[in-house]
Amino acid sequence: SYVLTQPPSVSVAPGQTARITCGGNNIGSKSVHWYQQKPGQAPVLVVYDDSDRPSGIPERFSGSNSGNTATLTISRVEAGDEADYYCQVWDSSLCVFGGGTKLTVL
Amino acid sequence: EVQLVESGGGLVQPGRSLRLSCAASGFTFDDYAMHWVRQAPGKGLEWVSGISWNSGSIGYADSVKGRFTISRDNAKNSLYLQMNSLRAEDTALYYCAKVSAPLRFLEWFDYWGQGTLVTVSS
Repeated sequence: SYVLTQPPSVSVAPGQTARITCGGNNIGSKSVHWYQQKPGQAPVLVVYDDSDRPSGIPERFSGSNSGNTATLTISRVEAGDEADYYCQVWDSSLCVFGGGTKLTVL
Repeated sequence: EVQLVESGGGLVQPGRSLRLSCAASGFTFDDYAMHWVRQAPGKGLEWVSGISWNSGSIGYADSVKGRFTISRDNAKNSLYLQMNSLRAEDTALYYCAKVSAPLRFLEWFDYWGQGTLVTVSS
């Protein structure tokens, strides 16, 4: 089965740039979607189709995907960005989530 | 406004059954595929099952195949998950989620409910 690998944690100071990676075999050939989940809340879509943003999501959130790694980039990080982030793809009609990355804002 | 409201969770003994429901509103329910995603306490997201707009396509995670059955009633704007032979490892918060585009199945999830908690324990 297809596996998505995320770092368990990423830490960044306010105002800096956070990069959260999602590794998978030839993931560049798939569409990657990213969700933000804050404690006690349901996930929220922040990036879809590798790099598109839903309405209402700040431009600070962006994504890229190539080769074996997809990346969610959060620019000018704010305290409110502290959350768990999950990548997601479809593989052989099965939905796969990465293990999640906890973003800590120092 | 899109709303997804799950219900039916609770405490159940191993080996028993439970049926979850998801009531949808604010969009044309019968145009969209729907999915169940669960999250064990303190763990990550795990896709459970999905069903296309017309029930013509259905998928299950290997961990639940043969035990869980997804269904929908478009006349009632409702999604269901029948869970049989429950195990301790099925303990989780179960979310229903809507796909983004009408008539598509393998899409991203643009709306999620708040979840219903299932606890499997003796």
